[in-house]
Order: sequence, then C-alpha cells, then structure tokens
Amino acid sequence: KAGVTQTPRYLIKTRGQQVTLSCSPISGHRSVSWYQQTPGQGLQFLFEYFSETQRNKGNFPGRFSGRQFSNSRSEMNVSTLELGDSALYLCASKDTDTQYFGPGTRLTVL
Amino acid sequence: QKEVEQNSGPLSVPEGAIASLNCTYSDRGSQSFFWYRQYSGKSPELIMSIYSNGDKEDGRFTAQLNKASQYVSLLIRDSQPSDSATYLCAVTYNNAGNMLTFGGGTRLMVKP
Repeated sequence: KAGVTQTPRYLIKTRGQQVTLSCSPISGHRSVSWYQQTPGQGLQFLFEYFSETQRNKGNFPGRFSGRQFSNSRSEMNVSTLELGDSALYLCASKDTDTQYFGPGTRLTVL
Repeated sequence: QKEVEQNSGPLSVPEGAIASLNCTYSDRGSQSFFWYRQYSGKSPELIMSIYSNGDKEDGRFTAQLNKASQYVSLLIRDSQPSDSATYLCAVTYNNAGNMLTFGGGTRLMVKP
C-alpha cells in the first residue's frame, strides 16, 4: 500500500496570508490527524477527522481549521499567518490502533 | 494537563551496546503507548506499541511498561550507528480519541 502523502512538501508564505495543506491517508484508513512540530514546542496535536467529522481538537487558535472529504483526504487551513506558525505540519492516518505519519509539509512564514 | 516527559539527551552509546530510553507520563487515564523514531528532517516512524504492563520484544527492540509507576521504556540491543535518531514517546488517553501526546524526544547517538 502507498503511504500517507502530503502536499506541498515545502511552502513559503508571508505574515497575514493564508495557507491550505493537503493530506491523503493510506488506502482504507478513515481517521486522519494533524500535528504541528516546532523545535520549541515539539509535536502537538491539532485535530482529528473521522468520516468527515472532527472528533477531537487540540489547543490551537481558531485560525487553524481543517476538513475531511468523503474519500478520507483531508485539508488543513491556517489563516492570517504569523511568524510562529513556521513549523513542520504532519498528517497521520490510522488503522485499528497505529498512526502512520506522512512526510510532512515544511511551512516557513516570513 | 497531561504530560509526557523524556530526557532530551543526547544519549551516547558505543556501537553494540544497549541503549535505554525512558519516558514518564502524568495521567493514570492513559491507554496506549508508542515509541516513534525520527531521523533529522524526516517524519516519525513507529518502532513499538505497548498496551499492557510488562515487556514486549520485537527484534532488537524491547518496550517495557509499568502503569503503577507511570513509566515506559525502550531498550535497543546491539545498537548500530543507523539507530542514531530522536526517539519520541507518545501516549493516548481515555476519552481523548486518537490524539497522541508526545514527549519532547530523546536524541540517541551511537558511536562506531
């Protein structure tokens, strides 16, 4: 099976802009979670989607949002970008008990 | 506040030695425990999962869980330079769905 794919892999934006990141889970996986990884805060949970419904949300401002489509693909959006949003954004898809991470999208905010 | 704590390291061991990585967690409502390995510039990959007290072995890796002490560890036998990476401990909690709470990671360096 193909692994989790994320696009784009790298992105450079300026403050105030908005960005949309995409994730395609492993075939057959219906749960998709998003995480942010920064040197200072480590890996932090953003949100989880299952069957197009958000099941759980981490402690991030409302500028961070997401959605899931009927084919389980997911997108996350960050509006009004801030310098502190520069991070590696990781998507993970889950089978019965294990989450598998994609390669991530490296976002740089200038 | 659910916390997962790891020594940031670096933990340096010679090639062929046993590397011992430790993790403590703060909430007794924890459910599942995972060890991920992350090479620099790459995404985390699952090494081991453990759900009940005791030891679980998979090749050179052994995970140990002690829920009473809120402690989980990972032993790497016959350490190789290719094992040099950051090892992340992650926990899921009851009533938190599939959310993984990660420790800060321990950087392991295996010297030839």
